[in-house]
Amino acid sequence: RKEVEQDPGPFNVPEGATVAFNCTYSNSASQSFFWYRQDCRKEPKLLMSVYSSGNEDGRFTAQLNRASQYISLLIRDSKLSDSATYLCAVRFGANNLFFGTGTRLTVIP
Amino acid sequence: NAGVTQTPKFQVLKTGQSMTLQCAQDMNHEYMSWYRQDPGMGLRLIHYSVGAGITDQGEVPNGYNVSRSTTEDFPLRLLSAAPSQTSVYFCASSRGRGPTGELFFGEGSRLTVL
Repeated sequence: RKEVEQDPGPFNVPEGATVAFNCTYSNSASQSFFWYRQDCRKEPKLLMSVYSSGNEDGRFTAQLNRASQYISLLIRDSKLSDSATYLCAVRFGANNLFFGTGTRLTVIP
Repeated sequence: NAGVTQTPKFQVLKTGQSMTLQCAQDMNHEYMSWYRQDPGMGLRLIHYSVGAGITDQGEVPNGYNVSRSTTEDFPLRLLSAAPSQTSVYFCASSRGRGPTGELFFGEGSRLTVL
């Protein structure tokens, strides 16, 4: 069983749409949660950390559900520039940061 | 700001050859790591280091060696390349002695083993 699982997509949505991704994790002792964005043939870059109370950064909202062991990312008012692969990452233990396989998003004009 | 620099960006090897992927960071980060990224498998941790002189294995360490003689450098050595090591390799660093915050990635090294 993978430590972190994501729906690989692809998600194809029109501009202006709202889209949500989920990511489940297997270890209930997980301590830190992140969403990364990866453009085609580029390196991943941190999009946002995910806090227990949920957090928002502009059009992006991240939520954590410890009881069900998943994190989510909501993107409102999708832009063409949001097209990318979104990776969730979960840390448990001091040095173990596990990534999901990524969910590919394409925003269509 | 250079951040995390990886070389080479592209490399083709024959089975059995050895090579070293170089990684350097100029942010004085204690934590450094190597990941490989394969289609359908995501990013998988190969080796990591929490400071100069300290290294440890990650999820998929077989066939790779690392060393950390300085804070800045963390090279990854492929001992005897195999086609299964064809992948994109990312070096990443973070403040602190673990990946507790943002992980900064290099641009990646695309390796093909024939």
